[in-house]
Amino acid sequence: GEDVEQSLFLSVREGDSSVINCTYTDSSSTYLYWYKQEPGAGLQLLTYIFSNMDMKQDQRLTVLLNKKDKHLSLRIADTQTGDSAIYFCAESPGGYNKLIFGAGTRLAVHP
Amino acid sequence: NAGVTQTPKFQVLKTGQSMTLQCAQDMNHEYMSWYRQDPGMGLRLIHYSVGAGITDQGEVPNGYNVSRSTTEDFPLRLLSAAPSQTSVYFCASSGQHEYGYTFGSGTRLTVV
Repeated sequence: GEDVEQSLFLSVREGDSSVINCTYTDSSSTYLYWYKQEPGAGLQLLTYIFSNMDMKQDQRLTVLLNKKDKHLSLRIADTQTGDSAIYFCAESPGGYNKLIFGAGTRLAVHP
Repeated sequence: NAGVTQTPKFQVLKTGQSMTLQCAQDMNHEYMSWYRQDPGMGLRLIHYSVGAGITDQGEVPNGYNVSRSTTEDFPLRLLSAAPSQTSVYFCASSGQHEYGYTFGSGTRLTVV
């Protein structure tokens, strides 16, 4: 089956690192994605990782993938107030060209 | 380059009315999808298309129809609106996996 799970809420202090976790079920997912949604807006692609990679770094963002446990994480270094948003993890079940999303993690950044 | 355009941005319907949510993309993307977003439930896939003339059902297709007569357009039809269809609807398109999907800005639908 296809299911993606995330914790719903994370609160961090400005300047700290944030780690958002996600578990997925479909081992055929070729790509896994992280999207960001700011209030009242659509979804913005943050980054993605190919299933044969363990880690991907893109400026302040680091994605870790554990295929054995079907666990994906997004680390945001030096978290800023502008990072406050909902972050969605998504899997792409192999060959179907569609995305299945988790419920989203609301990140709150406080001074 | 407009990306993915959704119209209208807001809509109020009465129970039983029908309407079409429009979605158009100008990126020559093959893949298009419709999602609904409800609080605490993330985005759920309604219908998707892998090319003109080809559509398939997603997780929550009941009460919705789609068609894909051109590469650019992927309208979503509500046949007989129900209060349970009150939601924010997003259309998205993609050309290649490594770029993910590009999302429209959404249509906020209220059914009373």
